[in-house]
Amino acid sequence: GAGVSQTPSNKVTEKGKYVELRCDPISGHTALYWYRQSLGQGPEFLIYFQGTGAADDSGLPNDRFFAVRPEGSVSTLKIQRTERGDSAVYLCASSFPTRGELFFGEGSRLTVL
Amino acid sequence: AQSVTQLGSHVSVSEGALVLLRCNYSSSVPPYLFWYVQYPNQGLQLLLKYTSAATLVKGINGFEAEFKKSETSFHLTKPSAHMSDAAEYFCAVLPSPGGTSYGKLTFGQGTILTVHP
Repeated sequence: GAGVSQTPSNKVTEKGKYVELRCDPISGHTALYWYRQSLGQGPEFLIYFQGTGAADDSGLPNDRFFAVRPEGSVSTLKIQRTERGDSAVYLCASSFPTRGELFFGEGSRLTVL
Repeated sequence: AQSVTQLGSHVSVSEGALVLLRCNYSSSVPPYLFWYVQYPNQGLQLLLKYTSAATLVKGINGFEAEFKKSETSFHLTKPSAHMSDAAEYFCAVLPSPGGTSYGKLTFGQGTILTVHP
């Protein structure tokens, strides 16, 4: 597709379950980012990939959160032992290495009951 | 550390009226500044950016913003609002030169713009 694609668009899970969120970036974009947006807040940085490697994971809140990008394209954000506080919209963005010019997907809304 | 403050979580204007969305930043070094817009059921998209060139920056859909270092501000304006401008607007900051932090943006809390006929 032409834009950043995120699946699922909505995910409802129970506390303690494991969740995977997928991001398919724009073809050719080497940089990929995950952000989290809680209700009424702006997006908050989680992790940045340049190619296959995580160049900056300083925004991951704790070790329950992990992300991979094994082939330098699609990325998966993984959340273990989900908690109610993890409920948010998880945004993926991709770009060329151009400062601040990110292309965002529509997000995956995660609800933890 | 940087931060961004958007004054006013909701702004309401009449169609044809001036749009002014306020953004103030704090940064230890001159930053790069951005405005992103999120239309209903769409992803965020870049509206305009300031990267230490001209202080008055023009963006898409008739929007512009002026970087004022003395006021640490980067307010977004549009002379005449259109119904299609209704959306949520986010101001964001990036360190300059930033090393490898190409996309590690710090966002404000957002301002929802409502346009009345």
